[in-house]
Amino acid sequence: EADIYQTPRYLVIGTGKKITLECSQTMGHDKMYWYQQDPGMELHLIHYSYGVNSTEKGDLSSESTVSRIRTEHFPLTLESARPSHTSQYLCASRRGHGEKLFFGSGTQLSVL
Amino acid sequence: AQRVTQPEKLLSVFKGAPVELKCNYSYSGSPELFWYVQYSRQRLQLLLRHISRESIKGFTADLNKGETSFHLKKPFAQEEDSAMYYCALSVDNDMRFGAGTRLTVKP
Repeated sequence: EADIYQTPRYLVIGTGKKITLECSQTMGHDKMYWYQQDPGMELHLIHYSYGVNSTEKGDLSSESTVSRIRTEHFPLTLESARPSHTSQYLCASRRGHGEKLFFGSGTQLSVL
Repeated sequence: AQRVTQPEKLLSVFKGAPVELKCNYSYSGSPELFWYVQYSRQRLQLLLRHISRESIKGFTADLNKGETSFHLKKPFAQEEDSAMYYCALSVDNDMRFGAGTRLTVKP
């Protein structure tokens, strides 16, 4: 089924750990996005990608990195997690400019 | 820089009352504007976009370029409309969201 998938759904880790949040979509969309959102609060754009091998930083890079080696896959990596990274991370994709975004279910990250 | 402003963080109305969620944007070009909704424990999803000029679940939104606004309206609110509503502006490859308005419809 065409959808956008995020794993893990929940993650609790210690400070200083390296983590990767996974995001995959099966809709063939070129454009993919990562947003950070505290529950019921504003969405902050962290990173986005126009297509394979293209990535851009958003307003809030949050000391994270992304890669886009395949169209369907857009993982987000935190090299050294800190308590300030505790938040919900939403992945989204769309076909092109002016098209709607499809969102994943999110990863709720807690850094102790 | 493009920006989306939703001045009300919380909005509470009674069932059957009209509701208007405000959205203002700053962008010098031709905007592509959207309203997204997040119901409790569900994914964020599209409610409507201005280019399609459609009514979804009784909601409508009109783009007013003079006032740079894209307010969301519904003449008779229902309890199932209670949710978080986000206005969004698409520019080139980017999509920027407002801070959101939590709508509560009381019985």
